[in-house]
Amino acid sequence: GQNIDQPTEMTATEGAIVQINCTYQTSGFNGLFWYQQHAGEAPTFLSYNVLDGLEEKGRFSSFLSRSKGYSYLLLKELQMKDSASYLCAVTAYSGAGSYQLTFGKGTKLSVIP
Amino acid sequence: NAGVTQTPKFRVLKTGQSMTLLCAQDMNHEYMYWYRQDPGMGLRLIHYSVGEGTTAKGEVPDGYNVSRLKKQNFLLGLESAAPSQTSVYFCASSSGTSATDTQYFGPGTRLTVL
Repeated sequence: GQNIDQPTEMTATEGAIVQINCTYQTSGFNGLFWYQQHAGEAPTFLSYNVLDGLEEKGRFSSFLSRSKGYSYLLLKELQMKDSASYLCAVTAYSGAGSYQLTFGKGTKLSVIP
Repeated sequence: NAGVTQTPKFRVLKTGQSMTLLCAQDMNHEYMYWYRQDPGMGLRLIHYSVGEGTTAKGEVPDGYNVSRLKKQNFLLGLESAAPSQTSVYFCASSSGTSATDTQYFGPGTRLTVL
C-alpha cells in the first residue's frame, strides 16, 4: 500500500520562501509529482521528480530523496495568488505493466500580506 | 484544444436516483481516470481505463460503474445514489502511467445526494 504524509495547513508571508514537506512509504516507487489546486478548481501539474535531487522551475523547486522517502516543494518570492492547496502524489508500479498515482491529502497554504 | 471537459458541472440527486457523469478529452490520451475528492481525504481513485474498451477498479470502486466505448470519452455511472457519494468528482487523462506521464484534470463535477 501507499502512505503519504504532508502538513494539513501552512501560513506564510508575501515575498517570503516556504517549504512544504512530503514523506511517503510505498512499494514499487517510480516517481513523485506535485500539483497545485486553487479552491473550487482542478489540480494542475507543477513538477515531478524521478531521481534524487532538486528540480527548479522558476519560483518553484522540488526535491526528492528516494532513500529517505522524502520530498519537498519550495516556493520563493511568495505571491498572494500562491494561496492554494499543494498535493504530493506518488506513482508506483501496480502490476500488469502500469503504474498508479496516489495522492496525499494536500497542504493548504495561505499567503498573508 | 479544450483538454479535459466534464459534464455536468453541478448536480443534485435524491437517494436512489441514478446518473451518468461524462468526461471527454481531446489529447488522444490512452489512459483516463475518475477520482473523488472529499474534505480531509484527498483525491481517491474510483476507476480507471488503460484504453478503449478496458476498465479497472481503483481504490474506492463500490457503488460506481464505468465505460470507455470511445477513446476520448470515459463515463462514470451511479446506479443508486447514496448520501455517502456526495463529493467532487474529477476526471483525468494521461498519455501513459510512468513517472513522467502527467495527469491532466477536468474542472470537476460537484454532486450532492440528498
